[in-house]
Amino acid sequence: QKEVEQDPGPLSVPEGAIVSLNCTYSNSAFQYFMWYRQYSRKGPELLMYTYSSGNKEDGRFTAQVDKSSKYISLFIRDSQPSDSATYLCAMSAMNNNAGNMLTFGGGTRLMVKP
Amino acid sequence: KAGVTQTPRYLIKTRGQQVTLSCSPISGHRSVSWYQQTPGQGLQFLFEYFSETQRNKGNFPGRFSGRQFSNSRSEMNVSTLELGDSALYLCASSLNPDRPYEQYFGPGTRLTVT
Repeated sequence: QKEVEQDPGPLSVPEGAIVSLNCTYSNSAFQYFMWYRQYSRKGPELLMYTYSSGNKEDGRFTAQVDKSSKYISLFIRDSQPSDSATYLCAMSAMNNNAGNMLTFGGGTRLMVKP
Repeated sequence: KAGVTQTPRYLIKTRGQQVTLSCSPISGHRSVSWYQQTPGQGLQFLFEYFSETQRNKGNFPGRFSGRQFSNSRSEMNVSTLELGDSALYLCASSLNPDRPYEQYFGPGTRLTVT
């Protein structure tokens, strides 16, 4: 079983819908939780990060972390066709052994239809 | 500010050959990490460099190696290529090693081994 699990999708929604993307993890040492967006044939683009538990909002994006359940979410409001991409969650233990190493989920492919 | 650059962008090699990939981090960034992305395994951490020293290494065979130069540019080398080494190789940079939450990826080098 992988340390970080993510439903691969594809997830298809109409334009304007609220999108919910999720990851579960097993390593309780993870402290930082990141979301990346990756367009086809491009490198991942950092969207936002959260430290420990709680919520963080940035424009149309909201990230939530529930460490007690080992569950993180990314919500996209008013989704646009330009949001169509693969969304990757990534996590870091933030200790001397981990350094900057990120552990990624497999990614969820999102399609927003006009 | 220019982003992370990787060269070459595409590469085709034959099984048994070796290959060297290059990464130039964002100006001022001193930590460089390498990842391998495949459809089956997703994004997997290869290694991380800071101040010309390898700080962390993922679970890859010794055929995968890297180095960092005094200007923070990094190279990775894969010797005795195997078909399974076909992947997108991504480089990420951050200001320093204790900022896993602010890593920025390059566009990647797509390696095909035939």
